[in-house]
Amino acid sequence: AQSVAQPEDQVNVAEGNPLTVKCTYSVSGNPYLFWYVQYPNRGLQFLLKYITGDNLVKGSYGFEAEFNKSQTSFHLKKPSALVSDSALYFCAVRDPMVGSTLGRLYFGRGTQLTVWP
Amino acid sequence: DGGITQSPKYLFRKEGQNVTLSCEQNLNHDAMYWYRQDPGQGLRLIYYSQIVNDFQKGDIAEGYSVSREKKESFPLTVTSAQKNPTAFYLCASSIVGREGTEAFFGQGTRLTVV
Repeated sequence: AQSVAQPEDQVNVAEGNPLTVKCTYSVSGNPYLFWYVQYPNRGLQFLLKYITGDNLVKGSYGFEAEFNKSQTSFHLKKPSALVSDSALYFCAVRDPMVGSTLGRLYFGRGTQLTVWP
Repeated sequence: DGGITQSPKYLFRKEGQNVTLSCEQNLNHDAMYWYRQDPGQGLRLIYYSQIVNDFQKGDIAEGYSVSREKKESFPLTVTSAQKNPTAFYLCASSIVGREGTEAFFGQGTRLTVV
């Protein structure tokens, strides 16, 4: 079965500093990995995904993520954090789109990122 | 604009009542999903559907029911059998048949039992 772990409930960083939000995964087969962001009382917004190819994936709002197969990790990064990046971040892994599970997403518990001025 | 619309944004339910949460999408997606979000627990899958008139239980289906009479619509009913329904509910949709495609989410419905 697929699973995702986000080891940190909270990450605090100063504005302008680099940020990292950690994610590790466990999958059978090829991993399809995603990062989503959630602002208070809102739905999830897609940030980026890894399907195959280059291990460094670039996404929205200056975020990027590094896929590391040997460490089964998919950490989210940004070179210079903004106060407006403060939100709840979810890592997810997706089942293949064939079969009975039909591409369902398995989410981590979320990491609350706070960027202070 | 294409997207997923959930309504209402806030919903209050009395003990013992059934309530229905609406989810409509105009993205022409075949797959639709309902997730429940509780603080510190991430998102848990309630039900999902690939095609009209067909749906499958997720991890926490007890106390919930769904229907898929139209491709665009996937309403969720929270029944009186759901013992702890207070939560944030999220609907999502995605394309079927393309590996690695992302899911799109609605803005959520916050359900509170009063």
